[in-house]
Amino acid sequence: SQTIHQWPATLVQPVGSPLSLECTVEGTSNPNLYWYRQAAGRGLQLLFYSVGIGQISSEVPQNLSASRPQDRQFILSSKKLLLSDSGFYLCAWSMLDYNYNEQFFGPGTRLTVL
Amino acid sequence: AQSVAQPEDQVNVAEGNPLTVKCTYSVSGNPYLFWYVQYPNRGLQFLLKYITGDNLVKGSYGFEAEFNKSQTSFHLKKPSALVSDSALYFCAYPWSGAGSYQLTFGKGTKLSVIP
Repeated sequence: SQTIHQWPATLVQPVGSPLSLECTVEGTSNPNLYWYRQAAGRGLQLLFYSVGIGQISSEVPQNLSASRPQDRQFILSSKKLLLSDSGFYLCAWSMLDYNYNEQFFGPGTRLTVL
Repeated sequence: AQSVAQPEDQVNVAEGNPLTVKCTYSVSGNPYLFWYVQYPNRGLQFLLKYITGDNLVKGSYGFEAEFNKSQTSFHLKKPSALVSDSALYFCAYPWSGAGSYQLTFGKGTKLSVIP
């Protein structure tokens, strides 16, 4: 069976510090990978998605970047965090082939920028 | 623009009563539609999906959803609510573009089941 991991689970960082959040998927190959941010426990905002190694698409201009160095690894980064980067970050994966394949979500990382 | 909408920010229901969480869609053609649930400080969990065929879809944890094309709705239902059903529920519409498949989510409905 497939599993998706995210770490860390929680993170408190000062403004201006760097960020690295990691997501890994097990039990599947060549998945679509996604990074979402959820603010205030509500709507989800798609930040980045990837259809393959080194292929990253950004949905919104922001202070963040993403990378996919391996097939099942997706990393969210920032060089200098802003207060507005606080939120709940969710990684998800889906199969590549059909648009009615559901996305499966990781447990999330709670980021607080002080 | 194609979208899904959840008209209620919050739904309160007594334990044991039937529950409904509403979703309407604005999608051309025959839509695919999903429901997800999110418990506090957790990731989203997939509940069920409508692709085609039977308008009544059964999913996890005793939930079901009814696809209604004339009303452009896909409401989530459960015959008897449990306190443990209290969570945030999202309706979603999958679509393809730029070589990937993505989900457009509704804003979410907070369900509170009162003991």
